[in-house]
Amino acid sequence: AQTVTQSQPEMSVQEAETVTLSCTYDTSESDYYLFWYKQPPSRQMILVIRQEAYKQQNATENRFSVNFQKAAKSFSLKISDSQLGDAAMYFCAYRSKITSGAGSYQLTFGKGTKLSVIP
Amino acid sequence: EAGVAQSPRYKIIEKRQSVAFWCNPISGHATLYWYQQILGQGPKLLIQFQNNGVVDDSQLPKDRFSAERLKGVDSTLKIQPAKLEDSAVYLCASRRGQGGTYGYTFGSGTRLTVV
Repeated sequence: AQTVTQSQPEMSVQEAETVTLSCTYDTSESDYYLFWYKQPPSRQMILVIRQEAYKQQNATENRFSVNFQKAAKSFSLKISDSQLGDAAMYFCAYRSKITSGAGSYQLTFGKGTKLSVIP
Repeated sequence: EAGVAQSPRYKIIEKRQSVAFWCNPISGHATLYWYQQILGQGPKLLIQFQNNGVVDDSQLPKDRFSAERLKGVDSTLKIQPAKLEDSAVYLCASRRGQGGTYGYTFGSGTRLTVV
């Protein structure tokens, strides 16, 4: 079974600065998806960024980018020019490409990192 | 498009009581998931539906939890009887299909407190 580990329970960053959240995962599969989700106090999970394992280029979405190291099974999230609205729980998630039956398209989440943004 | 609707938003019950949660996915979304998120942890899948059929319920505590998805649309998750350790946020998510490119849309969840 796949596991996702986020080793930083809490992080803080000064407004307008850059912060990096860490994530490692364990899998025997060669092709899969990795995600970063944001969960504000409203509790709704919001997709921040997605990476496909077979793509070597790191994904980027505006101020959010990832450093995907497939051999090391590492998937970190970098937030540039941090804003007050970025404060939330951030979850790293893995999804297999199993296409049918149990396990198909399930998301496996890490325990999360609480990000605080200091004005 | 409207999001995934869940109700109630909060629920407090005593242990051994029963409780039910409701989820209305985005129209046309065939795949529906229920996740349990205990405080301080990431969400854990309880059950996955494809239309009105169960794809995976391997992590659902079937002695007390049950779920159904009538007509492949709305879904209900029930706990009977509840235990203290069931205190958690219950999230519902839906996808248009099982294909790899479809995104997940999550609801805002129901926060259950068992006292």
